[in-house]
Amino acid sequence: EPEVTQTPSHQVTQMGQEVILRCVPISNHLYFYWYRQILGQKVEFLVSFYNNEISEKSEIFDDQFSVERPDGSNFTLKIRSTKLEDSAMYFCASRATAAGINQPQHFGDGTRLSIL
Amino acid sequence: DQQVKQNSPSLSVQEGRISILNCDYTNSMFDYFLWYKKYPAEGPTFLISISSIKDKNEDGRFTVFLNKSAKHLSLHIVPSQPGDSAVYFCAASGVNFNKFYFGSGTKLNVKP
Repeated sequence: EPEVTQTPSHQVTQMGQEVILRCVPISNHLYFYWYRQILGQKVEFLVSFYNNEISEKSEIFDDQFSVERPDGSNFTLKIRSTKLEDSAMYFCASRATAAGINQPQHFGDGTRLSIL
Repeated sequence: DQQVKQNSPSLSVQEGRISILNCDYTNSMFDYFLWYKKYPAEGPTFLISISSIKDKNEDGRFTVFLNKSAKHLSLHIVPSQPGDSAVYFCAASGVNFNKFYFGSGTKLNVKP
């Protein structure tokens, strides 16, 4: 069964450094998402992306965050200057169809980001 | 942002019995509801969903019930199996699917 893959599985970065989290969504999917889960807390929406542009973003997704689909397969989340509070599990998800048709999101196994 | 709530952080059930996980929401514009299962060190795995035009959807041992007037949905697992032990998240979305809201999860433990 096709799956969403995320790399790396664990990223350790010094505070203030840039980090790029990578995701390969399922190949025929059209909608892409990033979520995060701080340890012990709920899964929080960050951003959705469709047709090469951001569809919606949360208040968490400030100017330090950006997303990109640099080629036909990868979907990346960049944090420009990491803060301690960015430490979390980051999940990428993709979804098959456009609005109006009920299809679930499929998630990768996440990247654990640890900011030192 | 508490638009989706799971008020029970944990649930323990004997193998073979029914597990009932509950979820409440506040936004009447939600149109699509989902349940995900999550094991440690893995991403959420889609289980079952329901559209707002239905009140029940069944897939094998899993049934989701939606009560729109009460803004409540539930997931029934019957019979429960030890392999069902995991954290279960409910999620909801509006008609444009740009954003999915997640509950805080319920940790289910199915005892052999």
